[in-house]
Amino acid sequence: DVKVTQSSRYLVKRTGEKVFLECVQDMDHENMFWYRQDPGLGLRLIYFSYDVKMKEKGDIPEGYSVSREKKERFSLILESASTNQTSMYLCASSPGGGGYQPQHFGDGTRLSIL
Amino acid sequence: DAKTTQPPSMDCAEGRAANLPCNHSTISGNEYVYWYRQIHSQGPQYIIHGLKNNETNEMASLIITEDRKSSTLILPHATLRDTAVYYCIVRAVNTGGGNKLTFGTGTQLKVEL
Repeated sequence: DVKVTQSSRYLVKRTGEKVFLECVQDMDHENMFWYRQDPGLGLRLIYFSYDVKMKEKGDIPEGYSVSREKKERFSLILESASTNQTSMYLCASSPGGGGYQPQHFGDGTRLSIL
Repeated sequence: DAKTTQPPSMDCAEGRAANLPCNHSTISGNEYVYWYRQIHSQGPQYIIHGLKNNETNEMASLIITEDRKSSTLILPHATLRDTAVYYCIVRAVNTGGGNKLTFGTGTQLKVEL
């Protein structure tokens, strides 16, 4: 089974802090994704990566950056956390090639910014 | 990507088959149908996907109509642990990355004793 592991289930940070969310997958997938999920707004793509050291902006990249130094790890960084970044953050991965392969998700990190 | 329509909620008795419908009348030839579910406070879980043939795996069966304008997810013997929001997604694919998923409102399935 595909395993996508997010470092924390719940996280509380303060406004202005730099926040790191980590994601690791164990299936040698090329593609990795960061989404946020908010009530009434559904799932929104923040960033994705299709290879080591490669990254592409999704629909809402403002206020975020990412890092992919190793194939299995994709980090999301909130440069200066703000209250409107309180959300559920979901990491996903999928194999490369074809594009039809399903994405597999971690359990999510529920982040609260105070 | 094609728009999907699902009923907002359904109930099912434990042990019975749960049949969750999805309408995707504007689907085009290169679009796959995917099903995910999300149990409260957890990440979405992939269930099954298909292009035009019916598919079955250890979790569920996916029945796609011949004209591909609708599909049904079947959980053959629903249990209480299958209570979740079920999302039907139709998505075009390309050879690059960034095949983002867009979840609609889904169907809240409630399995009861």
